[in-house]
Amino acid sequence: EVQLVESGGGLVKPGGSLRLSCAASGFTFSSYSMNWVRQAPGKGLEWVSSISSSSSYIYYADSVKGRFTISRDNAKNSLYLQMNSLRAEDTAVYYCARDVRRPLSSSLYFDYWGQGTLVTVSS
Amino acid sequence: SYVLTQPPSVSVAPGQTARITCGGNNIGSKSVHWYQQKPGQAPVLVVYDDSDRPSGIPERFSGSNSGNTATLTISRVEAGDEADYYCQVWDSSSDFGVVFGGGTKLTVL
Repeated sequence: EVQLVESGGGLVKPGGSLRLSCAASGFTFSSYSMNWVRQAPGKGLEWVSSISSSSSYIYYADSVKGRFTISRDNAKNSLYLQMNSLRAEDTAVYYCARDVRRPLSSSLYFDYWGQGTLVTVSS
Repeated sequence: SYVLTQPPSVSVAPGQTARITCGGNNIGSKSVHWYQQKPGQAPVLVVYDDSDRPSGIPERFSGSNSGNTATLTISRVEAGDEADYYCQVWDSSSDFGVVFGGGTKLTVL
């Protein structure tokens, strides 16, 4: 059974930092690209960042570029998100999600999601 | 960047058919995916590649995509289908370009 378990969320002051983790199990982690998707309270889903299976390709949403860093450790079956210079608008539940992509058909979707971890940025 | 437009809410009586639309410029040329999210829970994939269903998703959930509109259809709606539904595409012509629609709240009357 595929499982994704996020941790590391909490309350942080504006300008502060936080590191999220996602522990994966039930599949060959090193074979899949992974993502972070967030959801502000009462709002919709927003893709944040993606990392390819070997960490060769990394992408960020414009809203977090230069402040967040995605990484992974395939030996530990773990995904990370280092969040610096946090702002109030970064307050959200952060989900770890596995993706399935077929570039030739321009298809990419998220087939498994973690339960999410809440990040609150407030003074 | 690419924009997906969903109605904020759709209401339907139990046993009826719910249709949730997702509008986008020439969306028919893209692969559309749909997620169901119940309160306090993570999203769940219910339709991928316009009309395919993951294992475990009831046949009552189906999808179509043509022109400027993709549609998620839920037949014989049940109380347990009440949730938020999001469409999503990958706009590979832009910088990575994963896009979600704003979400539709399905209310079962």
